[in-house]
Amino acid sequence: ETGVTQTPRHLVMGMTNKKSLKCEQHLGHNAMYWYKQSAKKPLELMFVYNFKEQTENNSVPSRFSPECPNSSHLFLHLHTLQPEDSALYLCASSQLGRGTRVADTQYFGPGTRLTVL
Amino acid sequence: DAKTTQPPSMDCAEGRAANLPCNHSTISGNEYVYWYRQIHSQGPQYIIHGLKNNETNEMASLIITEDRKSSTLILPHATLRDTAVYYCIVGGSNYKLTFGKGTLLTVNP
Repeated sequence: ETGVTQTPRHLVMGMTNKKSLKCEQHLGHNAMYWYKQSAKKPLELMFVYNFKEQTENNSVPSRFSPECPNSSHLFLHLHTLQPEDSALYLCASSQLGRGTRVADTQYFGPGTRLTVL
Repeated sequence: DAKTTQPPSMDCAEGRAANLPCNHSTISGNEYVYWYRQIHSQGPQYIIHGLKNNETNEMASLIITEDRKSSTLILPHATLRDTAVYYCIVGGSNYKLTFGKGTLLTVNP
């Protein structure tokens, strides 16, 4: 247990569906992250939220829409996905100092295994 | 952030020490060396990090060379549950962790 939970753990959806992934951290951290891990590829950073503000969007297609209502919760809203979006989606959190960009330790959740049919 | 080079795979006998090397010859002065591991289909797990000095915690030891151009992660008594992909990451100028392909460590009985 890392203190970061993700639901659901597995999700199968059609290309016309709308679904959401949820992440919750119980560590009191102020930054949260979404990563994507496709088969046989390294983890790719998708979004970063720092103090609830989105500070990073790594050229992610608009069919992925993140939401961070507070520092403990992070969502990834999915709509009209493609089969190539099938992957393991990982959430992480960390504690960052305000105004600094010093690298920190990130704690990851177990991931959501997404399959798009 | 500086790039890292790791062997794609390594084997280790159960109970023996596992020494995982990492080259980071372009590391800059304020960049840390981080090690994470990922057991199959699970989220990455933080292991240890360091800047200049060697570090030790309950999971592993990190040995950083004096010129900081390479480091070694040491698992003192590897178990079967240590079989995983181990990532060496260099960062410090920002909060990003750039994962490479890592080293697949297989611990054999």
